[in-house]
Amino acid sequence: GAVVSQHPSRVICKSGTSVKIECRSLDFQATTMFWYRQFPKQSLMLMATSNEGSKATYEQGVEKDKFLINHASLTLSTLTVTSAHPEDSSFYICSAYVATYYNEQFFGPGTRLTVL
Amino acid sequence: AQSVAQPEDQVNVAEGNPLTVKCTYSVSGNPYLFWYVQYPNRGLQFLLKYITGDNLVKGSYGFEAEFNKSQTSFHLKKPSALVSDSALYFCAVRDTGKLIFGQGTTLQVKP
Repeated sequence: GAVVSQHPSRVICKSGTSVKIECRSLDFQATTMFWYRQFPKQSLMLMATSNEGSKATYEQGVEKDKFLINHASLTLSTLTVTSAHPEDSSFYICSAYVATYYNEQFFGPGTRLTVL
Repeated sequence: AQSVAQPEDQVNVAEGNPLTVKCTYSVSGNPYLFWYVQYPNRGLQFLLKYITGDNLVKGSYGFEAEFNKSQTSFHLKKPSALVSDSALYFCAVRDTGKLIFGQGTTLQVKP
């Protein structure tokens, strides 16, 4: 149980285009999902907290107009990188928070975004 | 604010030897501490957590961690390292529902 999937696992796009990344909890409902960004050999930096049915809460320094987050259902959150640029190239990881699982977060496998 | 620190960027150990990956924490109140492992181009896998109770926590793949309140540490240990344990390890503390991660420690286990 407690499986989180991400799609796509890898995406390459041209500069200026928008990319949508999906995060799904497959066998449980998650009221809260988190989006992280990770640069090579670095730690995970929390970008935003996504609550079902409400606006996401962004961490300081994260552009909310550039990184659009939608959490339309208890099993799906999406991150859209708008007008992507090469500096947005990174590894994006989502996690789902389940209070009934002793307050654990379960992580997706990540999405590698490369902007040319 | 809650934080964790991993003082070592990399730990090298020979296969079969015991391993320790260090983590210290700074929290107000009772800490909720976690260890995760990450293999290349993969998400994080949960290893173990400390919420309350016994100071020695046993987790997945033979790993364990010892919560030491006086030293504010939560070091990850394994009695006998495997080459397949080579990966990036993260210590984390929960802060109002969010996880705050340490810098990560790369573990290299050599045959």
